[in-house]
Amino acid sequence: DTGVSQDPRHKITKRGQNVTFRCDPISEHNRLYWYRQTLGQGPEFLTYFQNEAQLEKSRLLSDRFSAERPKGSFSTLEIQRTEQGDSAMYLCASSDLGVSYNSPLHFGNGTRLTVT
Amino acid sequence: AQSVAQPEDQVNVAEGNPLTVKCTYSVSGNPYLFWYVQYPNRGLQFLLKYITGDNLVKGSYGFEAEFNKSQTSFHLKKPSALVSDSALYFCAVRDGAAGNKLTFGGGTRVLVKP
Repeated sequence: DTGVSQDPRHKITKRGQNVTFRCDPISEHNRLYWYRQTLGQGPEFLTYFQNEAQLEKSRLLSDRFSAERPKGSFSTLEIQRTEQGDSAMYLCASSDLGVSYNSPLHFGNGTRLTVT
Repeated sequence: AQSVAQPEDQVNVAEGNPLTVKCTYSVSGNPYLFWYVQYPNRGLQFLLKYITGDNLVKGSYGFEAEFNKSQTSFHLKKPSALVSDSALYFCAVRDGAAGNKLTFGGGTRVLVKP
């Protein structure tokens, strides 16, 4: 178990640029989640995949945000035309199927995005 | 809609004293409750969960939590705090009647002083 890996750890970009983050979940985990966390706040749900299917998306996920998990393994989160309000920590988590949806989430260390 | 409230932004406690971090929740279906801890510049780590059964659940690092349905609470406790317990603690809930996402509270910073 090598844990959930996120790349890059930090990203500084100028407003209007596109950015893409990658998440590699724990290898046997079927479910993958993206959350966003701003300073002093709890993580906010963005979206989740079961295998390659994106099953739920938050209304927070504007049309500038897109997430993929093409082969049911790693996932990417792209933000187009970044805005300063996108500055946050983007957290990826994975879990196994388990008996229900109550398997604990295993989080990566996050990608910190700063939009200047 | 499901929600979680952590009424204390920060809890200060002396090492060796009991630690309590409060959490209340709101759901329309059955609640599934979790506690996570976050250390600086790290992701969240799972501590414990309540799904069903005994209202007192035990988790990692000596932590436990008590589910109280009538008060819609799930307070985190540790009988004797350590300086190394200083971190950010998050309560989270999944509403059994409303999909699969986990909703987190705003977090409580715990500072354990030697």
